[in-house]
Amino acid sequence: EPEVTQTPSHQVTQMGQEVILRCVPISNHLYFYWYRQILGQKVEFLVSFYNNEISEKSEIFDDQFSVERPDGSNFTLKIRSTKLEDSAMYFCASKDRLANEKLFFGSGTQLSVL
Amino acid sequence: AQSVTQLDSQVPVFEEAPVELRCNYSSSVSVYLFWYVQYPNQGLQLLLKYLSGSTLVKGINGFEAEFNKSQTSFHLRKPSVHISDTAEYFCAVKGDTGRRALTFGSGTRLQVQP
Repeated sequence: EPEVTQTPSHQVTQMGQEVILRCVPISNHLYFYWYRQILGQKVEFLVSFYNNEISEKSEIFDDQFSVERPDGSNFTLKIRSTKLEDSAMYFCASKDRLANEKLFFGSGTQLSVL
Repeated sequence: AQSVTQLDSQVPVFEEAPVELRCNYSSSVSVYLFWYVQYPNQGLQLLLKYLSGSTLVKGINGFEAEFNKSQTSFHLRKPSVHISDTAEYFCAVKGDTGRRALTFGSGTRLQVQP
C-alpha cells in the first residue's frame, strides 16, 4: 500500500530556532493535513491544505506556523521560532478526495525543543 | 464542537482473550466515528469507520465497533487478541457538517501478553 513519508523521524532544536518538518504525501492525493501529539495528550489537528491554500486551521496554528507545498510532491510545516511547548510528535496525513473519509498518516516526526 | 474521551489509557490483556476499548464522544451535530491504530514506529492506520447505516461495523484484523447513539459510544472489540495487536488505538470523531478535521481521543495502549 502507498505510504505517506515524513522526514526526519527525530528533530532536536534550540528554543527560538526555525524548524521545517517535511512530508511526502501519497502521489495522487489532494488533501493534506498536519496533526500533532504532545506526549501523553490527544492527537490535535493543526491545519488542512487543499489547492495550494489552507482550508482549515486550529487555534494552535498561529502566526509561528506555516505550511507550504513547494513542489508537486512535498508538503512542509514550518515553525518560525520554536518554543518548549512545541515539543511533540507531528503527523502528516493525506487523502485523495474530500468525500473519502480514510486518511493516510505518516509515521511522524518527533520534535524536541530544548 | 466535538470531543472524544477514551477512559482507559492502558489495557493489558492475555493473548486469545477478548478485549473492549472504550470510546465516548460528544457532539452537537451528527458525527462520523473512527478507530485508528498505531503500531510501534508507524503512522496511524484506519481500523474501521462508522458513517451511516448498520451500527455494527467491522474493520481490519478482526476488530469491530458498535455505534450507540443513546450512549454516545463507539467501543472497539475483538473476541480474541493476538500478540501482534499490541499497539496504540485512537478513537476519532468528525462532524458531518462544517469543520472537516478529525478530533481524536488521547489513545489507549493495548498490551497483549502471552
